[in-house]
Amino acid sequence: GENVEQHPSTLSVQEGDSAVIKCTYSDSASNYFPWYKQELGKRPQLIIDIRSNVGEKKDQRIAVTLNKTAKHFSLHITETQPEDSAVYFCAASDYKLSFGAGTTVTVRA
Amino acid sequence: DAGVTQSPTHLIKTRGQQVTLRCSPISGHKSVSWYQQVLGQGPQFIFQYYEKEERGRGNFPDRFSARQFPNYSSELNVNALLLGDSALYLCASSLLGQQNQPQHFGDGTRLSIL
Repeated sequence: GENVEQHPSTLSVQEGDSAVIKCTYSDSASNYFPWYKQELGKRPQLIIDIRSNVGEKKDQRIAVTLNKTAKHFSLHITETQPEDSAVYFCAASDYKLSFGAGTTVTVRA
Repeated sequence: DAGVTQSPTHLIKTRGQQVTLRCSPISGHKSVSWYQQVLGQGPQFIFQYYEKEERGRGNFPDRFSARQFPNYSSELNVNALLLGDSALYLCASSLLGQQNQPQHFGDGTRLSIL
């Protein structure tokens, strides 16, 4: 089955700096890669996704890149704000979502 | 429009009991998936249903079962509860049952086993 690894497990950045989270996946059949943000005690919220026929996608301060050959994808958050503090999960889909272990992002004011 | 709704929000059970969790998908969505999220970890896939048929099952014992109703709502049943079943159970809905469809999560049911 699919195995998704996510790094780093924790990330502390100064407000206004950028944050980068990296994930690798194992199953070449996966063709859909969403990212979720989960605040404490709340539901995972879909923030951006990318399909395997696209190399990069951007939505305001958030961007995701995908390298199919290397089987890795990354989330980039620019101009971080305190409200970006949360746990971020990457996932890969071969019909079900297989999640990474999560990255706890803390934005220091 | 309402998002994915789950009930109950919290549940306390003892070992050996049985539990039923409920999920209503976003209006128009025909696929429902269930995930278990243990504290500090990412969600783990349990089941996917599409048009009332099981489309996939994760690595969970037969104590876990589910079904989807004609109105696309779903129930997750867990029998013979163990302490290790304590977790947040999340339901996600998507428009179709295809692998590249966005899945939207409910707030979950927090299950505690004593």
